[in-house]
Amino acid sequence: DQQVKQNSPSLSVQEGRISILNCDYTNSMFDYFLWYKKYPAEGPTFLISISSIKDKNEDGRFTVFLNKSAKHLSLHIVPSQPGDSAVYFCAASGDTGFQKLVFGTGTRLLVSP
Amino acid sequence: DTGVSQNPRHKITKRGQNVTFRCDPISEHNRLYWYRQTLGQGPEFLTYFQNEAQLEKSRLLSDRFSAERPKGSFSTLEIQRTEQGDSAMYLCASSWGDIQYFGAGTRLSVL
Repeated sequence: DQQVKQNSPSLSVQEGRISILNCDYTNSMFDYFLWYKKYPAEGPTFLISISSIKDKNEDGRFTVFLNKSAKHLSLHIVPSQPGDSAVYFCAASGDTGFQKLVFGTGTRLLVSP
Repeated sequence: DTGVSQNPRHKITKRGQNVTFRCDPISEHNRLYWYRQTLGQGPEFLTYFQNEAQLEKSRLLSDRFSAERPKGSFSTLEIQRTEQGDSAMYLCASSWGDIQYFGAGTRLSVL
């Protein structure tokens, strides 16, 4: 039962363009969503988060959009840089009392110069 | 702030042996989590501590797995009688609020 889904295993964009990574969830009890970035041989690094009471959160080049009715969120990276090349994981929490994170399977982003 | 530290980074063991991993969380973080990640998957929750109390265990955590967090500081995860299916990256995270900060993980290979 995959409660958090990232249907695109990979995405390739050119430097300077926008990267859009998508994530869908099925559990309506989730109320907090996070994006993590992971480089090889490193642990996931927190990138940005959004609470279910908001529909947008922005931090520099990174913006997360949440559409609760569609149970969909997306991460926009503008402009994309080669250093953004990594695996991006969407995660959700809120259906338990202790913020257990439920992760998607990840999207590998490749930003080419 | 040195971040979450995990040791060892890599562990190779033979099937049937016991292994123990250590996690040192960010100081003052009262919550500590263990996750397991296999190839092509996202991290999967294993267990959670608030201070020294283990409050939740996933059904993924069989009887061969045990975790402790004495004195609410560092934590250990032990796997007894390892099986090839235990081969994975074991990740530790700590938090004070909503955001969990991860260590680099311990990669276990069971031969």
